[in-house]
Amino acid sequence: NAGVTQTPKFRILKIGQSMTLQCAQDMNHNYMYWYRQDPGMGLKLIYYSVGAGITDKGEVPNGYNVSRSTTEDFPLRLELAAPSQTSVYFCASTAVRGTEAFFGQGTRLTVV
Amino acid sequence: GNSVTQMEGPVTLSEEAFLTINCTYTATGYPSLFWYVQYPGEGLQLLLKATKADDKGSNKGFEATYRKETTSFHLEKGSVQVSDSAVYFCALSDRNTGNQFYFGTGTSLTVIP
Repeated sequence: NAGVTQTPKFRILKIGQSMTLQCAQDMNHNYMYWYRQDPGMGLKLIYYSVGAGITDKGEVPNGYNVSRSTTEDFPLRLELAAPSQTSVYFCASTAVRGTEAFFGQGTRLTVV
Repeated sequence: GNSVTQMEGPVTLSEEAFLTINCTYTATGYPSLFWYVQYPGEGLQLLLKATKADDKGSNKGFEATYRKETTSFHLEKGSVQVSDSAVYFCALSDRNTGNQFYFGTGTSLTVIP
């Protein structure tokens, strides 16, 4: 059972480039989340979704966009990459609000 | 609002030592509490959880008790192993007051033989 799958695992971007981080879950979860993890800073919520067609901003949404056209997929888009977006990005999902979250393996992004 | 405060690290222990990682929380409702573990190069995995006051979560020798009176959820293990070396995150989620998780900053644990 795959759970939450993120691609790619690693990526190096040049300043100003764009990319999409992919996230897919096969558990039929309604709630999906994107977090970034900076060293010593814990996890910060970028965007989340409570179901297909519904997204909302988290704590640090600037520089990112998301869409949720299906229950399974929740891609994160970086339009103009900046060095401040160098981080490890995690996608997560939950079945019901307040229950445990399942995490992907992460995408390590470096912007140079 | 909701927040989680976690013991600063890093923590270094000898094998078979007793572990405590402190976690306190602030919540406006009645949250569920979680401990997640992150091994090097991996995502977060659920270690244990508790959904109401006085519940004790346990897994792999780790335990944590949901203490409403002290708003705490401290992680303990009686005898750590080298394989327990990882980063540990305390988190809360409240189904009644929001859609998101709130994480502590993480505590890095290194166990030396």
